[in-house]
Amino acid sequence: EPEVTQTPSHQVTQMGQEVILRCVPISNHLYFYWYRQILGQKVEFLVSFYNNEISEKSEIFDDQFSVERPDGSNFTLKIRSTKLEDSAMYFCASRTDPLGETQYFGPGTRLLVL
Amino acid sequence: DAKTTQPPSMDCAEGRAANLPCNHSTISGNEYVYWYRQIHSQGPQYIIHGLKNNETNEMASLIITEDRKSSTLILPHATLRDTAVYYCIVKTGGYQKVTFGTGTKLQVIP
Repeated sequence: EPEVTQTPSHQVTQMGQEVILRCVPISNHLYFYWYRQILGQKVEFLVSFYNNEISEKSEIFDDQFSVERPDGSNFTLKIRSTKLEDSAMYFCASRTDPLGETQYFGPGTRLLVL
Repeated sequence: DAKTTQPPSMDCAEGRAANLPCNHSTISGNEYVYWYRQIHSQGPQYIIHGLKNNETNEMASLIITEDRKSSTLILPHATLRDTAVYYCIVKTGGYQKVTFGTGTKLQVIP
């Protein structure tokens, strides 16, 4: 069964450093998402992406965040200058089309900012 | 999207049916009921969804009341691997984001 993959599984970085989290969505999917989950808290929506542009973003997704689909397979989340409070699990998700009701989530990247 | 109310936790004996309730009294006519689960620290996993008819797949059954104000997710034969947080989500279809609440933490007991 096709699945969403994410790399790395764990990342440790120093505060102020840039990080790039990578996702490979399911190959025929057209809608892409990033969510995050701070330890012990709810899963929170960050951003959705379709047709090479952001379709919706949350208040969390401020100027330090950006997303990109650099080629036909990868979908990335960049955090320009990490803060301690960015420490969380980051999940990528994808879905096929507006009639495809299901979002498929990846296993997540655990980001720790020191 | 309509809000949902779920019990914070439930226990279920291994091999028995797990029945997870959800109240969504403000659901509107074009909103679906979705269920996802999250096994510890893993990505959320889609289970099932429905509009007004009961639905069944290889993982679970979804029973929606006639007035659509509540629903029950049924795991027919719970195993230890079903221990997870289960989220009931009401949303319109399409590409909209999934808004997760706090869910029900299901503990399957040997």
